[in-house]
Amino acid sequence: ETGVTQTPRHLVMGMTNKKSLKCEQHLGHNAMYWYKQSAKKPLELMFVYSLEERVENNSVPSRFSPECPNSSHLFLHLHTLQPEDSALYLCASSQDSGGSLIEQFFGPGTRLTVL
Amino acid sequence: GQNIDQPTEMTATEGAIVQINCTYQTSGFNGLFWYQQHAGEAPTFLSYNVLDGLEEKGRFSSFLSRSKGYSYLLLKELQMKDSASYLCAVEAAGNKLTFGGGTRVLVKP
Repeated sequence: ETGVTQTPRHLVMGMTNKKSLKCEQHLGHNAMYWYKQSAKKPLELMFVYSLEERVENNSVPSRFSPECPNSSHLFLHLHTLQPEDSALYLCASSQDSGGSLIEQFFGPGTRLTVL
Repeated sequence: GQNIDQPTEMTATEGAIVQINCTYQTSGFNGLFWYQQHAGEAPTFLSYNVLDGLEEKGRFSSFLSRSKGYSYLLLKELQMKDSASYLCAVEAAGNKLTFGGGTRVLVKP
């Protein structure tokens, strides 16, 4: 248990569906992240939120829409996905103290399959 | 651009030592992390290096040479539970990690 939870753990959706992934951190951190982990590819950073403001959008297609309503919760809204979006989506959090090296704590991930 | 290379897979025997190398070319460098990820689980933090040299933490040690763009993770007295993927990640700029593809280590009895 890392203090970061994600729901659902597994999700199967069609290309026309709309779904949301949820992440919650219980560590009192002020920064949260979405990563994509595809088979045989490195972990890819998708979005970074620091103090509830998006500070990074790593050229992610608009069919992925993040939302950070407060420092403990992060959502990833999905719509009209493609089969190649099937992957493990990992959430992470950290305490951003400005400039110093920061350990990130990862959630268990949501295994997404797009049919 | 960011480029981080590490071997895809390594096999070692229980009780032995394994060294996982990581080379990087990044625009900027704040530090380097190593994470362990068991199949189907979240990555967990192992170590980080900011300055050149060796950081030792029990059975695991991590080395960094910033001038060479090189790091390694050393796993000693291997145990079966050490079978996992080991991810090298560079923080090139404020809280943005770029990961290598991971090295899958298989420990055999």
